Amino acid sequence: GIQVEQSPPDLILQEGANSTLRCNFSDSVNNLQWFHQNPWGQLINLFYIPSGTKQNGRLSATTVATERYSLLYISSSQTTDSGVYFCAVERNTGANNLFFGTGTRLTVIP
Amino acid sequence: SAVISQKPSRDICQRGTSLTIQCQVDSQVTMMFWYRQQPGQSLTLIATANQGSEATYESGFVIDKFPISRPNLTFSTLTVSNMSPEDSSIYLCSVNIVKGRTEAFFGQGTRLTVV
Repeated sequence: GIQVEQSPPDLILQEGANSTLRCNFSDSVNNLQWFHQNPWGQLINLFYIPSGTKQNGRLSATTVATERYSLLYISSSQTTDSGVYFCAVERNTGANNLFFGTGTRLTVIP
Repeated sequence: SAVISQKPSRDICQRGTSLTIQCQVDSQVTMMFWYRQQPGQSLTLIATANQGSEATYESGFVIDKFPISRPNLTFSTLTVSNMSPEDSSIYLCSVNIVKGRTEAFFGQGTRLTVV
């Protein structure tokens, strides 16, 4: 099956700092999404980004599909950004389900 | 987007019992997906539920342990049967919304603890 690796696994930031999270995937994909899982376990959609670059406030994401990686940028981090960030991909097989990455646990300290 | 209501949001259950988790979507969808997230781990697909047919289970998951119902295009249930402490996880349902692209959305999850 497809492998989806995220780095770093854990990240601790001072409030106000910037960070870059990386997602590498081992095969071509139809779809790539970034999620933030809050402390209550809910998955919040951040980006749908199979290719290109998108920005939403302090967050932006870039996917280079030909090189099989995606980056999530968090600027001016806030304590509410804490949680686990997952990238997830949909393979080109028609199955339509997502394969989740290993996750990055972000802790933002005041 | 989609509004996906999942309940219960959390439960503590005795080993050997069963729990049924419900997932309600505010629009008709062809496929619904059930995922499991064990403590400290990523999400793993349990099965895909299609209306009018048997669910399709991923390797390592069987219908006797995780029976799924899909009576219509907006509702599904997942039952965790004969529970053991190893079943303690977050269970999430998901749907794909197709509007020029196919984007996945998730319910708020069910946090299950088996004692």
